[in-house]
Amino acid sequence: DQQVKQNSPSLSVQEGRISILNCDYTNSMFDYFLWYKKYPAEGPTFLISISSIKDKNEDGRFTVFLNKSAKHLSLHIVPSQPGDSAVYFCAASLTSMGAQKLVFGQGTRLTINP
Amino acid sequence: DVKVTQSSRYLVKRTGEKVFLECVQDMDHENMFWYRQDPGLGLRLIYFSYDVKMKEKGDIPEGYSVSREKKERFSLILESASTNQTSMYLCASSLLGLWATEQYFGPGTRLTVT
Repeated sequence: DQQVKQNSPSLSVQEGRISILNCDYTNSMFDYFLWYKKYPAEGPTFLISISSIKDKNEDGRFTVFLNKSAKHLSLHIVPSQPGDSAVYFCAASLTSMGAQKLVFGQGTRLTINP
Repeated sequence: DVKVTQSSRYLVKRTGEKVFLECVQDMDHENMFWYRQDPGLGLRLIYFSYDVKMKEKGDIPEGYSVSREKKERFSLILESASTNQTSMYLCASSLLGLWATEQYFGPGTRLTVT
């Protein structure tokens, strides 16, 4: 039972344009949502997060939008740069025994074309 | 900067061998996690620990065990390795607290079981 889904395995975008990565979830108890970026042969690195009580969070070129009624979040990257080419994972957070457990989506491979 | 290190980047083991994967973090984090990453499945939580000698099962604990004797070190043990445990293994750590959602990842260990 996949609680967090990224339905697009890959996305190709022209440099300078907007990249939009999407994520859907099923569990309404998730309290935070995060995006991670992963380069080959490296561990994922945190990119941006949003609390379930907000609908938008912005950090430089990155903006995350949360639509709770649709159980959907998206990551916008504007403008897209070649260094943004990576696999992006969305994750949702649940509290368990004092630890914030993360449930990850399958990932979307973003390719930025020059 | 938070640093999470994993003992090996690449490991090749035979079916039936006992395998130890070691993870060390240097930021005095209370929580530590073990994930495996497989294509099309994203990151799946195997075990986590919120304190020394404490452990909790994640979503896919079967065939694995863990040990946390010191705060900075979290070990993943494959008692009898099988070919379906060939995967990328990622360790992560985080602070304790409801607001502490961000997890910091190590570079990963690519394990091949033949």
